[in-house]
Amino acid sequence: SAVISQKPSRDICQRGTSLTIQCQVDSQVTMMFWYRQQPGQSLTLIATANQGSEATYESGFVIDKFPISRPNLTFSTLTVSNMSPEDSSIYLCSVGGTGSWETQYFGPGTRLLVL
Amino acid sequence: TQLLEQSPQFLSIQEGENLTVYCNSSSVFSSLQWYRQEPGEGPVLLVTVVTGGEVKKLKRLTFQFGDARKDSSLHITAAQPGDTGLYLCAGGPSGGYNKLIFGAGTRLAVHP
Repeated sequence: SAVISQKPSRDICQRGTSLTIQCQVDSQVTMMFWYRQQPGQSLTLIATANQGSEATYESGFVIDKFPISRPNLTFSTLTVSNMSPEDSSIYLCSVGGTGSWETQYFGPGTRLLVL
Repeated sequence: TQLLEQSPQFLSIQEGENLTVYCNSSSVFSSLQWYRQEPGEGPVLLVTVVTGGEVKKLKRLTFQFGDARKDSSLHITAAQPGDTGLYLCAGGPSGGYNKLIFGAGTRLAVHP
């Protein structure tokens, strides 16, 4: 399984600012995913990030709010833009293959609190 | 839209008791993955099942994938306080694209 790290591990931000979260993997992976986990809730997929193409966003998430970069096969960033208290969540990246039978492995998450 | 219904949502038991968590859907999945998440950490994979009727064991944990690949269960025997956490099931939709669908999660508390 891949070893995944995220930076920062946690942050407290002011309303209206933006935060960029980094996800680094120790091996090349085809697909990287970004999830949001609101307090006490399960995981919701924000978008899928493939190297060399635009990220694919899920319903309810837009590129202007959550721009994503995937410059190579081991790294991705998620930016949470123009934050509001409703954006307070845990943001998780995961990696996996292209097939639906393939396992996804998760990073430790970034805990974000917006005041 | 494929959905995974996970139950129960909360479970509070005494050490030594047995428990079962269920994930059910009306849709067929290519795979079913179970994760455990502890506070402040990301989900950690416990098991992936891909074959209908498959049973996998991980120490005191037994995972089963339904024959029709629409449901799965996690059974814990003689629960211990170290089993406390959030258990998540996630299904890989049939059709090839790796986009997991998560259940709502089961928050388990095992008391000494």
